[in-house]
Amino acid sequence: AQSVSQHNHHVILSEAASLELGCNYSYGGTVNLFWYVQYPGQHLQLLLKYFSGDPLVKGIKGFEAEFIKSKFSFNLRKPSVQWSDTAEYFCAVTAGNNDMRFGAGTRLTVKP
Amino acid sequence: EADIYQTPRYLVIGTGKKITLECSQTMGHDKMYWYQQDPGMELHLIHYSYGVNSTEKGDLSSESTVSRIRTEHFPLTLESARPSHTSQYLCASRRAGRDNSPLHFGNGTRLTVT
Repeated sequence: AQSVSQHNHHVILSEAASLELGCNYSYGGTVNLFWYVQYPGQHLQLLLKYFSGDPLVKGIKGFEAEFIKSKFSFNLRKPSVQWSDTAEYFCAVTAGNNDMRFGAGTRLTVKP
Repeated sequence: EADIYQTPRYLVIGTGKKITLECSQTMGHDKMYWYQQDPGMELHLIHYSYGVNSTEKGDLSSESTVSRIRTEHFPLTLESARPSHTSQYLCASRRAGRDNSPLHFGNGTRLTVT
């Protein structure tokens, strides 16, 4: 079955630590990949997206993600996290005529 | 600031009541969606619409219904609420015609059925 997997449910880091959140998908063919972030009490908002070209995409607030087609992965990274990055992060995929499917989300807690 | 608006933000109601969750967007998007979000779980697509008078059920079976009489408005109705309907409901929209267009989300409605 087509799915989006985020293996880390809850990640706890100290400020200035590096972050990598995993995302794997099982769709074949051409995919469009997204990371969304949901800060406490706020709506989901787009962090970054990939649909073609350079597999390393840069988003807002210093986040980036790398599309590795051979691994069906689209991991999110940030070299140095801040307390304000505390939020829930969702990976999402669209493929073909299918509508967007989301992973279960990863809750990030950054300790000051 | 979201361009897609959901009301109410919070709702606590008793079992058996009929409720309608409102969703409106000002971006002229043809595609609109309802997702159900529970803590630690993926967002589940429960309804979607590709335009006026078009509605479809999503992956997750839901006892709710939707309507799309106007492009900007996509309300969700529960005829008889039950405790199992307790959840957060997210409305979203996107432009039609491009798979890489992102979803725009509302703030959500947190529903509690007692």
